[in-house]
This record gives sequence, structure tokens and C-alpha cells, in this order.
Amino acid sequence: SQQGEEDPQALSIQEGENATMNCSYKTSINNLQWYRQNSGRGLVHLILIRSNEREKHSGRLRVTLDTSKKSSSLLITASRAADTASYFCATALFGSSNTGKLIFGQGTTLQVKP
Amino acid sequence: EAGVAQSPRYKIIEKRQSVAFWCNPISGHATLYWYQQILGQGPKLLIQFQNNGVVDDSQLPKDRFSAERLKGVDSTLKIQPAKLEDSAVYLCASSLEPGAYEQYFGPGTRLTVT
Repeated sequence: SQQGEEDPQALSIQEGENATMNCSYKTSINNLQWYRQNSGRGLVHLILIRSNEREKHSGRLRVTLDTSKKSSSLLITASRAADTASYFCATALFGSSNTGKLIFGQGTTLQVKP
Repeated sequence: EAGVAQSPRYKIIEKRQSVAFWCNPISGHATLYWYQQILGQGPKLLIQFQNNGVVDDSQLPKDRFSAERLKGVDSTLKIQPAKLEDSAVYLCASSLEPGAYEQYFGPGTRLTVT
């Protein structure tokens, strides 16, 4: 079963606007990661936030994590047409084996119109 | 630094035929993952290797899927016999170590079973 659920499933905005995607999960995690997938390509790692962190920034990306609500959000500021892609959250579960297994959500498809 | 290499990029086969995919991870990465991504969904882990040993294959349909990582470097995933529902993109990823680390993905192999 999917650990993460993302909202919205699809998002369409104009270039220059901000895009916010949300991810909810069910069980305790070690860390949460966000990945981007352009059409027909593999996934690219964007940012990793650990369970003891609340906010992290990387360029135009801002990620928040609320472990009490079991949710995370990804904010892309000043979006560009090149940001058009699918975005996935992935959770690394907290467990004794700590194998690094990631469970991916269904993804949010973002379209940025020029 | 060379990325994760996969081949072939595309494959079309008939049901009940067999198919094999190849992956060469980033040099020095001990952990290798095979994911299945069905259209419109997030990637699902099929099998994880640490060096040449299997760490997790709980979601690998072992009656038809097999994978090996001889010598702890490149890996092969095989399907025999293929079913229509195996149509998907098969992604290979690697990471430096298991645990709280980002994964680097290859471009994937798009399999169509007719």
C-alpha cells in the first residue's frame, strides 16, 4: 500500500507564481525526500528532510515537515516553465533495519504555463 | 561523474515472452534498487541489493521476476513469462549506502507487453 498521498494530483499555474504540493504519510519516518520526474525520464532527487527537522531550503525550493500531523509540503517559488514535471514525495521508514527503503506517493503533476 | 546507466530504453514483447533489463550503478555505490513504475503511479520497490546480497525483495513477484547483482556492481532484472500487467517503466537506482541517503535514478526502461 502507498505510504504517502499527495495533494493535489494535478496543478496548473502561470510562470512566476508559486506552487505548493502536499504529502501525507501514515507511519513514523526516518526522513522524507522529494523527487522530480520529467516526462519520460528518471527521477531526480530534490531535497531530503530528516524527521528532527522542520524546514529546509534549497534554491527556490522550501520543504516543511510536521511529524505530529504526518505531513510535508514542497513550495516552489517563482516557478518557471522548466519546472513542469511530476513531483513525488518518498518516505524512508523508521525501523530497526534502516534499509533505506523508500515508499513513494502517487505524485503531483505540475504544469507551468509560460 | 557518470550517472546510472540502463538498457534498453524501450522494449516491446508479447505476453508469455521473456525480457531482461540491465543496470550499471554509479561507481562506488554499494546499494542498488529496482523499481516498477506503472503509468500514473509512483515507483514501487521490487528489490534492493547491498553489494551482491539481497536486502529486500518482499514485493518482487518471484514466480516470474528474478534479479541478480553479480560481483556487486551491475545488475540484471528478468521477467519470465511476461504478463500484460507487467507493462511499466522499470527504474534502477543506486545510493552510496542504505539508510538516510538520496537515491540516484537511471532513465528507466519502458516495457510494453502486448
